[in-house]
Amino acid sequence: DTGVSQNPRHKITKRGQNVTFRCDPISEHNRLYWYRQTLGQGPEFLTYFQNEAQLEKSRLLSDRFSAERPKGSFSTLEIQRTEQGDSAMYLCASSLGTGNEQFFGPGTRLTVL
Amino acid sequence: GQNIDQPTEMTATEGAIVQINCTYQTSGFNGLFWYQQHAGEAPTFLSYNVLDGLEEKGRFSSFLSRSKGYSYLLLKELQMKDSASYLCAVRDQAGTYKYIFGTGTRLKVLA
Repeated sequence: DTGVSQNPRHKITKRGQNVTFRCDPISEHNRLYWYRQTLGQGPEFLTYFQNEAQLEKSRLLSDRFSAERPKGSFSTLEIQRTEQGDSAMYLCASSLGTGNEQFFGPGTRLTVL
Repeated sequence: GQNIDQPTEMTATEGAIVQINCTYQTSGFNGLFWYQQHAGEAPTFLSYNVLDGLEEKGRFSSFLSRSKGYSYLLLKELQMKDSASYLCAVRDQAGTYKYIFGTGTRLKVLA
């Protein structure tokens, strides 16, 4: 257990539905990242927050994806109008200041039917 | 473009030494990282290199050559529990904290 928690751990939804995932980072960590990982691949960067500011967002991310970190603590990732291609593990990670180590949460596994 | 290459799979014997290579071509460079990921689990941090040379940490060592865009992770005295995927990641240029991960090398340690 790294101290980063994610909920839910598993989500099954039907195509076209909206889903929201939550990440609670280690409390003093100001940097928070979202990644997507599919089987046999490495994590793919989605977006990054420093405190409450979303500083980077992957160009691969369509307009259906949005993320927030309203008070610089927990973060949510929403996917609207889900598609079967969105099926993946969604990982959250946090780090402290200029620290080099990212601490990953256990992930949310999304299955879109 | 951004590209990180690692072998897909490697097999080694318990007690042996294995070297996992990683080559990268990225628009910027602000550090290279190795992570271990067991099946069904989240990645865990192993090592960080930003300057050329070798960093040693117990049974694990990581090497970096920035001029060659090359790194390797060396695992000594292999144990069965080292069977996992090993992910090479590059942090993009200074001022950004975007990490680019390779596809990972799946290591099988045989008895």
